[in-house]
Amino acid sequence: DAGVTQSPTHLIKTRGQQVTLRCSPKSGHDTVSWYQQALGQGPQFIFQYYEEEERQRGNFPDRFSGHQFPNYSSELNVNALLLGDSALYLCASSFGVSGANVLTFGAGSRLTVL
Amino acid sequence: AQSVTQLGSHVSVSEGALVLLRCNYSSSVPPYLFWYVQYPNQGLQLLLKYTSAATLVKGINGFEAEFKKSETSFHLTKPSAHMSDAAEYFCAVSAGGTSYGKLTFGQGTILTVHP
Repeated sequence: DAGVTQSPTHLIKTRGQQVTLRCSPKSGHDTVSWYQQALGQGPQFIFQYYEEEERQRGNFPDRFSGHQFPNYSSELNVNALLLGDSALYLCASSFGVSGANVLTFGAGSRLTVL
Repeated sequence: AQSVTQLGSHVSVSEGALVLLRCNYSSSVPPYLFWYVQYPNQGLQLLLKYTSAATLVKGINGFEAEFKKSETSFHLTKPSAHMSDAAEYFCAVSAGGTSYGKLTFGQGTILTVHP
């Protein structure tokens, strides 16, 4: 049973560019959350998608946007990249939206902004 | 609002020794609490979770944690460390009810196990 898959695994961009990261949730899961993990830090919640809508958002600027498709997969878009956007971006999936749900995490997409 | 504080960014133990990783939380509502482990170049893997049932929670790989409301703590323990336990550990809190998958994580504790 495939878990959460993310692509690409690594990418390098320059300041001002735009990036799209992709996530396929675990089979049977319908909810996708995105987290940013800067070096040496714990993951920080960006936003969550359920039923193709953004349900909750963390403290991130509008440069960060996303989308969920009918097959539950999701994309994270970041515009006007800054050096500080360099981080590991983690996608997590679950079934439903209960706070008790266990999130299954992917291995992440490591973004380097030069 | 929720917050998590992990005391000690690095913990070092000898193989076979007790592992104790500390986590204190703050939550305005009854919390759900989680411990995750992250190995290098991998995502996070759930060790255990507390969701208002038994206060002593047993997880995978011999880990357990005790929820203490009066101390707002959820410390992670393992009686005997193994070399394979070396990793980074994260404590996380979720608000009860419909939190839409929002976990608030601590800064993490890197566990080193010496032979």
